[in-house]
Amino acid sequence: QVTLEESGPTQVKPTQTLTLTCTFSGFSLTTSGVGVGWIRQPPGKALEWLALIYWNDDKGYSPALKTRLTITKDTSKNQVVLTMTNMDPVDTATYFCAEYSGSGFNDHWGQGTLVTVSS
Amino acid sequence: QSVLTQPPSASGTPGQRVIISCSGSSSNIGSNFVYWYKQLPGTAPKLLLYRNDQRPFGVPDRFSGSKSGTSASLAISGLRPEDEADYYCAARDDSLSGPVFGGGTKLTVL
Repeated sequence: QVTLEESGPTQVKPTQTLTLTCTFSGFSLTTSGVGVGWIRQPPGKALEWLALIYWNDDKGYSPALKTRLTITKDTSKNQVVLTMTNMDPVDTATYFCAEYSGSGFNDHWGQGTLVTVSS
Repeated sequence: QSVLTQPPSASGTPGQRVIISCSGSSSNIGSNFVYWYKQLPGTAPKLLLYRNDQRPFGVPDRFSGSKSGTSASLAISGLRPEDEADYYCAARDDSLSGPVFGGGTKLTVL
C-alpha cells in the first residue's frame, strides 16, 4: 500500500522560509522511473506544480518559482523535502506531495497540508 | 493563469453525458499523455484517467478520455450526483520540463 504524508508548519511569517517534508511508504525513490513532486492549491484556486525529484536525483522546478524552491530526497528515510524561501501571503495554499510516474502524477497523493502566510 | 485551458464550469442532469475540454499546445498535450483528476472539496485530487484514456482500477467506464492534437476531453456518461466535483486535466510540458495543470472545471449535477 502506497501512502504519502506531508508535514511542516501550518503558519509562517512573510519573508520566512517554508520547509515541508513528504514521508512516503510503499514505493522506493531508488526505483528507476519513480519521482515525487510537490503541488500546491491556493484556497478556491487551481492546482499548481512546484517541483519534482526523480530516482536518479534529477530535479525539476516550476519556472515561475525556480529561484525560491529547493527539493531534496533522503532515500534512507523515504522522505522528500521542499524548501520555499521568502514566503508571501500569496503563497498561502494547501501543499500536496504525490508520486510521479514520468508522464504524470498517479493516484498516490498525500492528504495535503494547509500553510498560511501571515504576520 | 493555467497553461492548460478548461471551461470554468459545466453542468448536467442525472443520466446525461457531459464533456469537459482541455486545450494546450504542442509542448504539452500535443506531445505528451493527458491525465485527468477529480477533486472533492477539502480532499486531494483523485486520478480518473491516465495516458489519455486509461482508467485506473475502480474507475467506472462511465468516464472516458480522448485526445486529438493539442486538445483533450473527458466524457462522463450517465451523470450521477456524486460526480459533482472539480475536474483537472494535466500533462507534461516539454518546455517546462514538468507537469502543467488546467484551471479546473467545476461540474454541477442539477
